[in-house]
Amino acid sequence: SQQGEEDPQALSIQEGENATMNCSYKTSINNLQWYRQNSGRGLVHLILIRSNEREKHSGRLRVTLDTSKKSSSLLITASRAADTASYFCATDAGDDKIIFGKGTRLHILP
Amino acid sequence: DTAVSQTPKYLVTQMGNDKSIKCEQNLGHDTMYWYKQDSKKFLKIMFSYNNKELIINETVPNRFSPKSPDKAHLNLHINSLELGDSAVYFCASSLRTNSFSGNTIYFGEGSWLTVV
Repeated sequence: SQQGEEDPQALSIQEGENATMNCSYKTSINNLQWYRQNSGRGLVHLILIRSNEREKHSGRLRVTLDTSKKSSSLLITASRAADTASYFCATDAGDDKIIFGKGTRLHILP
Repeated sequence: DTAVSQTPKYLVTQMGNDKSIKCEQNLGHDTMYWYKQDSKKFLKIMFSYNNKELIINETVPNRFSPKSPDKAHLNLHINSLELGDSAVYFCASSLRTNSFSGNTIYFGEGSWLTVV
């Protein structure tokens, strides 16, 4: 069964702007991860946030987690053309399954 | 020095055929997965093996049979291929830790299967 749902499904922004993607999930989780998938490639891990954490940073990435709302957001600051990709959240509920959402397709316009 | 490698990358075959996709990881991980990504980019787990033992088997037709000869390899064999099997199949691996710490998954580049 699907766990995470990303929002929006697609997002186009100008280079240099910030991009925000959201993920909502249904059941309690131990941690949540974000992955990036470039066109025609496999997924690459970006960042992991544990259920007892509220915010995490990695370079231009900022992830928040609100367990009361069962939601997470991924913020990419100062976007670049190379950030064009699909972004997936993945939830780990402790049952050995890491469930991926449908992804947000991000397009950075020059 | 590819971490998770899968072959073939592209596969076009006729309905009814049997085909295999091979996967190998050199990361020393103990858990391997097969995911299926459909045309809408939805990524769904199919199987997971830990130290050669099956731990996850989602609702997948029994035409799909995974085989793990050792913990560095997880192959996927598909019998009697159907049009609906057309998708991208991703092999992945991770080091199984406690769930709270998180299992980062490392993906292969995918195998594009087209059934005609």
